[in-house]
Amino acid sequence: NAGVTQTPKFQVLKTGQSMTLQCAQDMNHEYMSWYRQDPGMGLRLIHYSVGAGITDQGEVPNGYNVSRSTTEDFPLRLLSAAPSQTSVYFCASSPPGTGPEQYFGPGTRLTVT
Amino acid sequence: AQSVAQPEDQVNVAEGNPLTVKCTYSVSGNPYLFWYVQYPNRGLQFLLKYITGDNLVKGSYGFEAEFNKSQTSFHLKKPSALVSDSALYFCAVRPRGRGNNRLAFGKGNQVVVIP
Repeated sequence: NAGVTQTPKFQVLKTGQSMTLQCAQDMNHEYMSWYRQDPGMGLRLIHYSVGAGITDQGEVPNGYNVSRSTTEDFPLRLLSAAPSQTSVYFCASSPPGTGPEQYFGPGTRLTVT
Repeated sequence: AQSVAQPEDQVNVAEGNPLTVKCTYSVSGNPYLFWYVQYPNRGLQFLLKYITGDNLVKGSYGFEAEFNKSQTSFHLKKPSALVSDSALYFCAVRPRGRGNNRLAFGKGNQVVVIP
C-alpha cells in the first residue's frame, strides 16, 4: 500500500490564482480530512469527509472547497489564492471503528506571493 | 468545543535523561487521546493513543503516555531520550461518538535532545 499520497510537494502561486491540491489513499478509509499547519498554531482542520459524497467544514474552511466523488480521492481547491493561505497542507485518512488513529500524507508546501 | 494545550514551546533534554512532554485537554465526556510526532519536512506519524482501560499507554519507539482523568492530562514520556527523538510532538483529542473523527491538535512541542 502507498498509504496517503499528496501532490504536488511544493507549489508557488500568485495572489488570485486557483489550484487543486490532490490527496489519495489506497486503504479504503471512509474518513478523510485536510489540515493546514502554521508555525506555533498546530494543525487546524479545513474540511473533512465521512464518506464518498459527504463533506463538511472544519474550523478554517474559508477560501477552500472540497469534494469526495470516490472513497480514494479528496482534492482541496483554492478558489482565489491569498497570501494568508501560505502554509503546509496535510491530508489524512482513517478507517471506521473505535478511536482509530489518522494516517497522514507527506504534505504540500504552498507559498502565495 | 474541544481544545488541547501544550504549555511549553520547546523541551530541551540531555541524551539518556527522561523526557516528558506535557498535554492537557478540554472536551466534554471521555475523549480519545493521541500523540503524533513530526520529523523535519515529513508528515505526522502516530505514536500512541488512549481509548479505554489502563491509564498508562505504551507506544512506538519506547514512548508511553499517562492518562489522568482528574487533571485532564495526557503527558508523553520516555525513560531515556535519544538524539533521534528530536522532533515536533503533537497531542490531539477526539470526542467519543460514532462517526466523529474530528481531531483537535495542540500547537506542538519542539523536543531537542542534546548529545
